[in-house]
Amino acid sequence: SAVISQKPSRDICQRGTSLTIQCQVDSQVTMMFWYRQQPGQSLTLIATANQGSEATYESGFVIDKFPISRPNLTFSTLTVSNMSPEDSSIYLCSVRQSYEQYFGPGTRLTVT
Amino acid sequence: EDQVTQSPEALRLQEGESSSLNCSYTVSGLRGLFWYRQDPGKGPEFLFTLYSAGEEKEKERLKATLTKKESFLHITAPKPEDSATYLCAVQAQNSGYALNFGKGTSLLVTP
Repeated sequence: SAVISQKPSRDICQRGTSLTIQCQVDSQVTMMFWYRQQPGQSLTLIATANQGSEATYESGFVIDKFPISRPNLTFSTLTVSNMSPEDSSIYLCSVRQSYEQYFGPGTRLTVT
Repeated sequence: EDQVTQSPEALRLQEGESSSLNCSYTVSGLRGLFWYRQDPGKGPEFLFTLYSAGEEKEKERLKATLTKKESFLHITAPKPEDSATYLCAVQAQNSGYALNFGKGTSLLVTP
């Protein structure tokens, strides 16, 4: 199974600033995903990031707010821009490998 | 619209007391149904993928089953270390491999 790491593991940020979350995978994968897990809520897909193409965003998420980069087959970043307290959440990177889907440890973001 | 409902929301068991968690779903063409375990402060840990009705998979004290409308995660003789939140997710054939999650069942196993 894929081993996924994320940086930072947690952060506390001020309103109006931006944070970039990094996701590193120990093997090459075509499909990477970014999810959000808000307290008491289901995991929600933000976007799909395939190497070599633009990220595809789900309804309710826009590129200006959550820009994503996917420079190669083992790495991706998600930026949370112009943050507000409503962006406080856990952000999770996920990859599809061998018909299964694995998750990173998550980045816990608190916006004050 | 695809929907996933997990029940119960929370379950408390004594060590050794077997039980089942339920995941009811509606999806326009199921590609796969996924079960995960999530411990506090950690990302979801992959357990099983089921692809068609009638399929069953086992891992240690866990057994997952699938029908056309629901999936069950059976926990046999649970131990305190089985305490976690168990998440169910469906992947639709037209989803581009995205997972649609339920809210999870929080399981507590007491000694």
